[in-house]
Amino acid sequence: AQSVAQPEDQVNVAEGNPLTVKCTYSVSGNPYLFWYVQYPNRGLQFLLKYITGDNLVKGSYGFEAEFNKSQTSFHLKKPSALVSDSALYFCAVRDMQAGGYQKVTFGTGTKLQVIP
Amino acid sequence: DSGVTQTPKHLITATGQRVTLRCSPRSGDLSVYWYQQSLDQGLQFLIQYYNGEERAKGNILERFSAQQFPDLHSELNLSSLELGDSALYFCASSVVAGSVQFFGPGTRLTVL
Repeated sequence: AQSVAQPEDQVNVAEGNPLTVKCTYSVSGNPYLFWYVQYPNRGLQFLLKYITGDNLVKGSYGFEAEFNKSQTSFHLKKPSALVSDSALYFCAVRDMQAGGYQKVTFGTGTKLQVIP
Repeated sequence: DSGVTQTPKHLITATGQRVTLRCSPRSGDLSVYWYQQSLDQGLQFLIQYYNGEERAKGNILERFSAQQFPDLHSELNLSSLELGDSALYFCASSVVAGSVQFFGPGTRLTVL
């Protein structure tokens, strides 16, 4: 069974500092990985995805994520955090199920707090 | 704006009642997903439809049901409501199952 773990409930970082939000996954086949962001009182928004190819994926709002197959990780990163990046971040993994159905599983979310 | 619309935005009702939440997916999207988000439970996947057919079930209670209509809009029906059903309910859509999901703004349900 596929799964995704976000080991930190909350990450605090000072404005201007680099940020990392961690995600590890477990799938039976090749992973398709996603990051979503949720601002207060809003629905989730797609940030970026990894399907294949370059291990460093660039996404919206200056975010990027590094795919590491040996560590089964897909950490979200940004070189310089902004206060406006404060939000809830979800990692998700897609895997093939029996019968050819593609299932997406979301992590529990990590709250990012950027401190001015 | 994701292109996914949900109505109503807010719903306040009493225990034991039944409500219907509605979702219109992005134009062209065949898959619709329903999620429940509460403070203590995080984002819980409820159910998924693809082109009118149920494709996957998550942690959906028997008191809850859903369907996707021929025009691809979807409805989530919640019955015999309990206080613990108070939550944000999100609908999302994608072109095909497993592709990038686009989320609606959610319906905030309050059960008193």
